[in-house]
Amino acid sequence: KAGVTQTPRYLIKTRGQQVTLSCSPISGHRSVSWYQQTPGQGLQFLFEYFSETQRNKGNFPGRFSGRQFSNSRSEMNVSTLELGDSALYLCASSSGTGVVGYTFGSGTRLTVV
Amino acid sequence: GESVGLHLPTLSVQEGDNSIINCAYSNSASDYFIWYKQESGKGPQFIIDIRSNMDKRQGQRVTVLLNKTVKHLSLQIAATQPGDSAVYFCAENIPNFNKFYFGSGTKLNVKP
Repeated sequence: KAGVTQTPRYLIKTRGQQVTLSCSPISGHRSVSWYQQTPGQGLQFLFEYFSETQRNKGNFPGRFSGRQFSNSRSEMNVSTLELGDSALYLCASSSGTGVVGYTFGSGTRLTVV
Repeated sequence: GESVGLHLPTLSVQEGDNSIINCAYSNSASDYFIWYKQESGKGPQFIIDIRSNMDKRQGQRVTVLLNKTVKHLSLQIAATQPGDSAVYFCAENIPNFNKFYFGSGTKLNVKP
C-alpha cells in the first residue's frame, strides 16, 4: 500500500511569507503528526491530529498551525516565516489507537531566505 | 520536553562487524521505545520497537536491548553492511502523551 506522501518536497520562501505543507497518510490511518527537524534541535514535535481534531501540541509559536480533513489528509501552515523556520518538516501517520510507531513521509525541505 | 540522548554522535565500523548504538532516556514512566533509521534525503524509517515489559527483542540482523534499571536502550546491528550507513534515532513514548520524544541521533558510518 502507498506510504505517507508529503508535498511539495522542496520549497523556498521569503521571510515574512506564509507556507502550507500537505501530508497524505497511509490509507486507514487516522492520526497525523508533524515534526520539525533541524541540525541543531533534532526532531521536535509540532502537533498531532486525529479524526480532524488536534489531539496534542508541541511548544511552537502560534505561527505554526495545522488541520486535518475528513479523509485524514493534513496540512500545516506557517505564517510570517522567519529564517529560523528553515528545516525539514516531517509528517508521520499511525492508526492513532493504542501506542504504535509512526510511518514517516520523506518530508518537505523548507528554506526561508 | 523529556530528554532522550545518545552517547555517541558518530560511530564508524568496518563492514561485517557488529554495531552497537546506545541511547539514554530520562523518564522512568516511558513504556514504549522505537529505533528509527534515517538515510540522507529520506524520512526516518522504523527499524524495531520494544515495550517496557520486555528487555530484549530481535529482528532481522537487529536486536534492541532495554535496561529499565539504568534507563538505557541499545540497538545492535549484526554483520553491518554499507547500506546500514545512516543516522539512527531512538524515540520514547510516555503514557498519555500522544507523541514521541526523539534523541539527537547517532551517525553510523560503515567502512568497506
